[in-house]
Amino acid sequence: GAVVSQHPSRVICKSGTSVKIECRSLDFQATTMFWYRQFPKQSLMLMATSNEGSKATYEQGVEKDKFLINHASLTLSTLTVTSAHPEDSSFYICSAPGTGGSYEQYFGPGTRLTVT
Amino acid sequence: QKEVEQDPGPLSVPEGAIVSLNCTYSNSAFQYFMWYRQYSRKGPELLMYTYSSGNKEDGRFTAQVDKSSKYISLFIRDSQPSDSATYLCAMTPGSYIPTFGRGTSLIVHP
Repeated sequence: GAVVSQHPSRVICKSGTSVKIECRSLDFQATTMFWYRQFPKQSLMLMATSNEGSKATYEQGVEKDKFLINHASLTLSTLTVTSAHPEDSSFYICSAPGTGGSYEQYFGPGTRLTVT
Repeated sequence: QKEVEQDPGPLSVPEGAIVSLNCTYSNSAFQYFMWYRQYSRKGPELLMYTYSSGNKEDGRFTAQVDKSSKYISLFIRDSQPSDSATYLCAMTPGSYIPTFGRGTSLIVHP
């Protein structure tokens, strides 16, 4: 199946700094990628849809100036958490839709962000 | 009422038991139903994918969809300790953006 990677897997940063998370599709091209946030024992919450060559689409309540998304190529999307605060600490997961007409998504392994 | 309801558990069963995991939903437009397995600190991986009502079997796993009741189930036969994970249901009317349940934590103890 399709493989999606994320980097870093874990990051600790100080409050007020910015953190960049990369999401790569390793063996396929993804014109669209999705970014989710997951709090402990909670469901996946879609933050935004990343579109190659155009602006990302953000879900209601997600600050686009705080969570900067760049879909630089057909295999890379990045999420930058700007001026991070402790409440931004969470598990961030990206995904890319499958091919062949199905509606499955291939998820990355996730990035654990801790803001101190 | 949330669009997709899923009991978070945890559900603890002995090895070899038959496990039943369930979700209910309110949006009758949902047509595609998926089950994902998520190990601790990992991204979800797709287990089963079904369209509309009916059953689908894959090894020890059986997915069941009852659209009339807006109820979906995942059965795991002969459960193993390696099945211990969080199982998330997901569903969509036909887009690439599914709605997820909050996940059920399953613990299979030897």
